[in-house]
Amino acid sequence: QVQLVESGGGVVHPERSLRLSCAASRFTFSNFPMHWVRQAPGKGLEWVAIMSSDGSNKYYADSVKGRFTISRDNSKNTLYLQMNSLRAEDTAVYYCARSPSSSWSRLDYWGQGTLVTVSS
Amino acid sequence: QSVLTQPPSASGTPGQRVTISCSGSSSNIGSKAVNWYQQLPGTAPKLLIYNNNQRPSGVPDRFSGSKSGTSASLAISGLQSEDEADYYCAAWDDSLNGPVFGGGTKLTVL
Repeated sequence: QVQLVESGGGVVHPERSLRLSCAASRFTFSNFPMHWVRQAPGKGLEWVAIMSSDGSNKYYADSVKGRFTISRDNSKNTLYLQMNSLRAEDTAVYYCARSPSSSWSRLDYWGQGTLVTVSS
Repeated sequence: QSVLTQPPSASGTPGQRVTISCSGSSSNIGSKAVNWYQQLPGTAPKLLIYNNNQRPSGVPDRFSGSKSGTSASLAISGLQSEDEADYYCAAWDDSLNGPVFGGGTKLTVL
């Protein structure tokens, strides 16, 4: 069964940085586009970013553009999210999710999430 | 303010049929496939319906999806207590170059 395990969350002060990781296993990671999606406490889902399987294409939500960077290391089966200039409104559970290469809109497997809290 | 519009809540009694609506625009639902996700309390979202009306392996056929124009619906028949969850619709949006989600519908089984 596909496994996605996020890590790197924690409490961070506003304007500081944090890097999240998502370790993938039990599937050929390099064949699949990957997403980050977040969920603020008690709120709905918000898409954050996507990266193509080979890393050549990436797109971001307007709310994080210029501050967050998605990347991947296919040799380590790991997806990353570098988050800079963090704000209180970035507080959320961050999920990584996989898409089939044929359908970037379909998030067919999700990790369990990692909580990021931005607070002074 | 979510790009896709869902009712915040829905409810039904065991055995009933419930539908959840999702409204969008021509740049998302009107031209792209709709997917639905189920989020049980305290857990990660799970893909429930894809390509408007397809069920992943393991999803009971009590769950069905449909789409017409810029709107979509999720129907749950034979409602069970374990269906109590948050349900989200989503579709790719060409203006965003990413998927957009509805605000979610909290389903309560009375």
